[in-house]
Amino acid sequence: QIQLVQSGAEVKEPGASVKVSCKASAYTFSDYYIHWVRQAPGQGLEWVGCISPNSGGGDYAQNFQGKVTMTSDTSTSTAYMELNRLTSDDTAVYYCARGHFFGGLDYWGQGAPVTVSS
Amino acid sequence: QSVLTQPPSVSGAPGQRVTISCTGSSSNIGADFDAYWYQHLPGTAPKLLIYGNTNRPSGVPDRFSGSKSGSSASLTITGLQAEDEGDYYCQSYDRSLSGRVFGGGTKLTVL
Repeated sequence: QIQLVQSGAEVKEPGASVKVSCKASAYTFSDYYIHWVRQAPGQGLEWVGCISPNSGGGDYAQNFQGKVTMTSDTSTSTAYMELNRLTSDDTAVYYCARGHFFGGLDYWGQGAPVTVSS
Repeated sequence: QSVLTQPPSVSGAPGQRVTISCTGSSSNIGADFDAYWYQHLPGTAPKLLIYGNTNRPSGVPDRFSGSKSGSSASLTITGLQAEDEGDYYCQSYDRSLSGRVFGGGTKLTVL
């Protein structure tokens, strides 16, 4: 069955970077975008951006430009999201999800909690 | 402040029907971009309920239905069940922001 399995919880200090992974299985990885969505404590869902494993091209939400870098490795069917210059506002659960550029996000990872604290 | 506006909460008794609205603008739903709906239950990942305004993915009960009119979309749940309790989000694409946008979410309480 199709699965997206994310890396575990992270605790980082302000100013540091974090890299979250998302390993896909049971489908052709390069046929779908990987989107990243976050949910801060007590808040709603927020789209961070997406990457095409086929082209390697990324599209980031305006709020995250300069903040996030998305990459993918087709040899391991794994997508990565790196956030830099972390602040407490980046404390959230980060989900990866499968989809096309448009369209619904039909499979989701289990979520990766990132806590930014000194 | 979300680009797509949803009521913060709705409630209904088991067996009843509830509707959750999602109000957008000429930059997103009104620009003919499709609306999507997700169910987010506590401790789980979000789940796609409705795609392309009105379509249900395989496995989603027909108690869930979606509609779109102008710059707004709606999710209707009939025959409410206790396990429907959770948060519901609409999502679309916004031309001005050049990206996907989510509504602020609606908490459904089954009384």
